[in-house]
Amino acid sequence: QSALTQPASVSGSPGQSITISCTGTSSDIGGYNFVSWHQQHPGKAPKLLIYDVSLRPSGVSDRFSGSKSGNTASLTISGLQAEDEADYYCSSFRSTSRYVFGTGTKVTVL
Amino acid sequence: QVQLVESGGGVVQPGRSLSLSCAASGFAFHTYPMHWVRQAPGKGLEWVAFMSYDREEEYYADYVKGRFTISRDNAKLYLQMNGLRAEDTAVYYCARECTGGVCYTGVDYHTLDVWGQGTTVIVSS
Repeated sequence: QSALTQPASVSGSPGQSITISCTGTSSDIGGYNFVSWHQQHPGKAPKLLIYDVSLRPSGVSDRFSGSKSGNTASLTISGLQAEDEADYYCSSFRSTSRYVFGTGTKVTVL
Repeated sequence: QVQLVESGGGVVQPGRSLSLSCAASGFAFHTYPMHWVRQAPGKGLEWVAFMSYDREEEYYADYVKGRFTISRDNAKLYLQMNGLRAEDTAVYYCARECTGGVCYTGVDYHTLDVWGQGTTVIVSS
């Protein structure tokens, strides 16, 4: 069961926008609109940022937005802030196994 | 408040067994599907297992199939881990399947919105 593919690291300066990609297959991202994104700070549990490709739970900043094209989903963080420095994981329903996570992306605020 | 608390982690020798528990509070646990997710030291999140709210469905990742068993009662989620290997060393999280808003029983949301703090399993001789 292979993980969804994310870049290992992405960086940006405060105030800038960055985008994290998440590539899967037609059995997961491409076939369903069940893509989620989680943020994880060191030593902490993951926090849900985005679900169903582009929806935000109550309380999540609108600086976080999600989208999808074909087999690739994306998370954009606009107006980058110091507290956004964390690991980010995409995930998706997968028809062959139920659920799968991405490889994770470390975001660094320069 | 809505909370999940895992317990049962520890140090165990390869080949031995360990059972994890996840206690839920602040929500109607018996109406939600639940998952186990793990994270090896310095590594990413890895999905482990799923159980539907009514125990009718269960799914496992290939790397634990045949060794791990997920179960639940009205208040807790469990993970029975047999034949443990060094590569099973990780922090194990339980997580609720919902979107952070209103979720209806019997509907698949495929989103993990509430997570416990995790319990650490170390497999070592």
